[in-house]
Amino acid sequence: NAGVTQTPKFQVLKTGQSMTLQCAQDMNHEYMSWYRQDPGMGLRLIHYSVGAGITDQGEVPNGYNVSRSTTEDFPLRLLSAAPSQTSVYFCASSYSRGAGNQPQHFGDGTRLSIL
Amino acid sequence: GQQVMQIPQYQHVQEGEDFTTYCNSSTTLSNIQWYKQRPGGHPVFLIQLVKSGEVKKQKRLTFQFGEAKKNSSLHITATQTTDVGTYFCAGSFNNDMRFGAGTRLTVKP
Repeated sequence: NAGVTQTPKFQVLKTGQSMTLQCAQDMNHEYMSWYRQDPGMGLRLIHYSVGAGITDQGEVPNGYNVSRSTTEDFPLRLLSAAPSQTSVYFCASSYSRGAGNQPQHFGDGTRLSIL
Repeated sequence: GQQVMQIPQYQHVQEGEDFTTYCNSSTTLSNIQWYKQRPGGHPVFLIQLVKSGEVKKQKRLTFQFGEAKKNSSLHITATQTTDVGTYFCAGSFNNDMRFGAGTRLTVKP
């Protein structure tokens, strides 16, 4: 019962570097999303996907790219890391997304520091 | 934009005292979910409320959804040290979901 798996758990980058945060789920969930969590600001939606081949922007998409080539995987790419992107990143998935939202299952998070 | 406001930001209680956190939205919500995040952990789903005026209970936790579907509350009776963590509400607006900033609960034994 892996659920939602995120890698890496920790990462330190230098300003300007790029990297990809990995997210995989084994529950055959249609909906996947990426959030960032900053102190006092809760969870803010970066990008989401309602199924393979479909992605859309959330609340704070600038500086991030996503793709969804398979149902299972939803990687998040930082194009050119900036100190403002220092945060904890959570990937989440749910069975479906719509007016009757389903519970979201979260991964353990990636703690990212940009120097 | 659509936002969900959550108060208080912090709450420190003595073990055995009650605790309440509140969420408010300026627009009507489709539904609201509550999550708990232990220190160093990830958010874990607690419950979803859909109907106007709905009240649900989970042991010492009581969840309410306002009549106008614009506010919600989570009440914990007789807190225990295991209740420590941050409680988040997440409101759904049509096909969008927004999280509140969370209420961080600490419990003194």
